[in-house]
Amino acid sequence: AQSVTQPDIHITVSEGASLELRCNYSYGATPYLFWYVQSPGQGLQLLLKYFSGDTLVQGIKGFEAEFKRSQSSFNLRKPSVHWSDAAEYFCAVGESNYQLIWGAGTKLIIKP
Amino acid sequence: NAGVTQTPKFQVLKTGQSMTLQCAQDMNHEYMSWYRQDPGMGLRLIHYSVGAGITDQGEVPNGYNVSRSTTEDFPLRLLSAAPSQTSVYFCASSYSGARELFFGEGSRLTVL
Repeated sequence: AQSVTQPDIHITVSEGASLELRCNYSYGATPYLFWYVQSPGQGLQLLLKYFSGDTLVQGIKGFEAEFKRSQSSFNLRKPSVHWSDAAEYFCAVGESNYQLIWGAGTKLIIKP
Repeated sequence: NAGVTQTPKFQVLKTGQSMTLQCAQDMNHEYMSWYRQDPGMGLRLIHYSVGAGITDQGEVPNGYNVSRSTTEDFPLRLLSAAPSQTSVYFCASSYSGARELFFGEGSRLTVL
């Protein structure tokens, strides 16, 4: 069965430091891949998506992610985090046109 | 811009009671969906709809009913609430399947 793994439940990063959040998936075909962010008490917002083409995709708020087929990974990166980036981040894989499989989320904590 | 509106934001029910979570979107999206979010489990799809009059089951449909009489509205009904349905519920819509979802702010349901 298809699955998405976010190995880190929590990550703590100092403000201004770089960030990488890991996402690994198990999926037979070429996947549609997404990263969403959830601020406390809010709904989720799409950060970026990969459907095909260039494996390095740019998103909102200065985030980027790289699709690596050989590693079945779609890691999220940001060169310098801000306190406002503290949130929970979810990776998702498109199982079909109408259903996504979600990771359990990674909570990002920013140290001042 | 209203986007996706969910009501109520908070609800406490007793076991066996029924209720409806409302979801409305003003973006003319054909695709609408309901998720539940539980700690450490990411999001799980309950039901979805690809247009008025068309609904289908997701990963965890038991105990929930939906209907889609208009493009704008997609209510989720709990006919006989159980403590296992204590969760945060999110409605999401999209113009193109489960590709770029727009989420409501969530409805927190507690079943005693």
